[in-house]
Amino acid sequence: AQTVTQSQPEMSVQEAETVTLSCTYDTSESNYYLFWYKQPPSRQMILVIRQEAYKQQNATENRFSVNFQKAAKSFSLKISDSQLGDTAMYFCAFMKHGGPNYGGATNKLIFGTGTLLAVQP
Amino acid sequence: EAGVAQSPRYKIIEKRQSVAFWCNPISGHATLYWYQQILGQGPKLLIQFQNNGVVDDSQLPKDRFSAERLKGVDSTLKIQPAKLEDSAVYLCASSLGVWGGTPTNEKLFFGSGTQLSVL
Repeated sequence: AQTVTQSQPEMSVQEAETVTLSCTYDTSESNYYLFWYKQPPSRQMILVIRQEAYKQQNATENRFSVNFQKAAKSFSLKISDSQLGDTAMYFCAFMKHGGPNYGGATNKLIFGTGTLLAVQP
Repeated sequence: EAGVAQSPRYKIIEKRQSVAFWCNPISGHATLYWYQQILGQGPKLLIQFQNNGVVDDSQLPKDRFSAERLKGVDSTLKIQPAKLEDSAVYLCASSLGVWGGTPTNEKLFFGSGTQLSVL
């Protein structure tokens, strides 16, 4: 069974600075997706960034980037130029890859316990 | 594009009462998910539908929880009778749900959830 671990319950960063959130996972699968989701007080989960395990290049989305270390099963999120609107819970998540001709099976997301990020003015 | 709609936003009930949540996914999305998020934890999948068929309900407490997705569009999740430990946010999500051929490219869109308090 897959597990996702986020060891930082809370983090704080000053506005405009850079912060890194940690995530480790455990799986025997060789092909999978990893995600970072943001959950503001509105409760809606918002996809921040996605990484496909077969791609060696780290994903980037504007101020958000990841450091994906497949052998170490580590997937950290770096937020550059932090903004007040980045304040939220951040969840790391794992999804098994269906693969070609993989029909009718689950694409279940497995979440970590989250990191509460506070951006200070 | 309209997002995933959920109602009610909040619900307070007493233990042993019943409650129902409603979800309307994004138009055209074949796959619908119900997640339970207990305070301080990440969301946990309760049930996944592909159109109106159940794909995964392995973590649904079937003695008290039930869900349906009539006509493959909107869905209801019911708890009967509720227990104190059911207090949580219930999130609905949907995705296009296309499989086969090229690798899956599932992006889930979440609603704002229903916060349930069982007293």
